[in-house]
Amino acid sequence: RKEVEQDPGPFNVPEGATVAFNCTYSNSASQSFFWYRQDCRKEPKLLMSVYSSGNEDGRFTAQLNRASQYISLLIRDSKLSDSATYLCAVKGDSWGKFQFGAGTQVVVTP
Amino acid sequence: GAVVSQHPSWVICKSGTSVKIECRSLDFQATTMFWYRQFPKQSLMLMATSNEGSKATYEQGVEKDKFLINHASLTLSTLTVTSAHPEDSSFYICSARDMAVYEQYFGPGTRLTVT
Repeated sequence: RKEVEQDPGPFNVPEGATVAFNCTYSNSASQSFFWYRQDCRKEPKLLMSVYSSGNEDGRFTAQLNRASQYISLLIRDSKLSDSATYLCAVKGDSWGKFQFGAGTQVVVTP
Repeated sequence: GAVVSQHPSWVICKSGTSVKIECRSLDFQATTMFWYRQFPKQSLMLMATSNEGSKATYEQGVEKDKFLINHASLTLSTLTVTSAHPEDSSFYICSARDMAVYEQYFGPGTRLTVT
């Protein structure tokens, strides 16, 4: 079993709609959680950290469910520019080693 | 935000040759840098952790004699792929940790193609 798993998608989303997807992790001792955005053939860019209480940044909302060991990302009012692959990252120790999921592809259509 | 550069951004080399990739933190000091590899439609896989002034720590399954890592200064780590094979063709990304703010930043990546 992979340490971090994501539905690869693609999630085809009409412009203006809402899309949500999860990421499950296997290590219950994981400390920190993040969502990254990766555009084709580019490096990942931090989208947002995921806090225990959940957090929101504009149209993006992230949630953490420690009991079920998953994090989620919700995108409201999708824009064409939101089309990308969204990677979840889990940090298990203080050294900063990340475990990444394979990514969920989101395609926003006009 | 902080900037991490990688050089080269893409490289094509012949099988059997060696390729060096540089990772630099441009406006902060990074005692720790990480090297990842990403194959198409797969996740970033951590290859090794590079610590300034000491030997790198390799993840299980990564050959340390094939992927040589040197972290000679607080702003530069290098990854050398020795005796490259076509299966080494991948996207190599480094990240650097800014100890002052405990943030980690990714470089733009290096696309390696071995023919």
